[in-house]
Amino acid sequence: NAGVTQTPKFRVLKTGQSMTLLCAQDMNHEYMYWYRQDPGMGLRLIHYSVGEGTTAKGEVPDGYNVSRLKKQNFLLGLESAAPSQTSVYFCASSYIGRGLYGYTFGSGTRLTVV
Amino acid sequence: AQKITQTQPGMFVQEKEAVTLDCTYDTSDQSYGLFWYKQPSSGEMIFLIYQGSYDEQNATEGRYSLNFQKARKSANLVISASQLGDSAMYFCAMREKYSGNTGKLIFGQGTTLQVKP
Repeated sequence: NAGVTQTPKFRVLKTGQSMTLLCAQDMNHEYMYWYRQDPGMGLRLIHYSVGEGTTAKGEVPDGYNVSRLKKQNFLLGLESAAPSQTSVYFCASSYIGRGLYGYTFGSGTRLTVV
Repeated sequence: AQKITQTQPGMFVQEKEAVTLDCTYDTSDQSYGLFWYKQPSSGEMIFLIYQGSYDEQNATEGRYSLNFQKARKSANLVISASQLGDSAMYFCAMREKYSGNTGKLIFGQGTTLQVKP
């Protein structure tokens, strides 16, 4: 089925470990986003990309890096995980168009840092 | 700075009754879009309804309607004839101005709705 696929779905990390979350979309969307969801705070934008080879910082970028080497993939990296990065991470993509931007969300990655 | 505020952390509604979830927003832009998403306990984000800032009529999608009051900067979600399956977290979100061309969504804190049988 067409959509946004996030891997892995669950992960437990030790403090200081690194990992990469992969987001893949097969809808040829230009824009891709990484959000984190924490209780009582909604979804906050970490980084985003408006096209292949471009990335930009969102609201809470510290401690994360991203890359978009291919249009369909958007990677989120944690170089040295901290307990404060325990969260649910959502990737989303959207198309360029008049008026409504159609957003598609992945199913989320639940990350626990111990 | 653009901001979305949902002041109701939790709401209860009796099955088959209507419920309104509040959302206020702050923006200095004239062109913007407002969204509502549903997040059930399974965790996925489900798009419910969209309202553009220039849309003259309130958006409706089945049992969902958006009460858009531009002057008050509010975009409340109305769910009619509540069902048990409506129990979920609901998020209001706003798209950054079109001319910015980034498509970023800004989310509110969310409202947890519980439907009682």
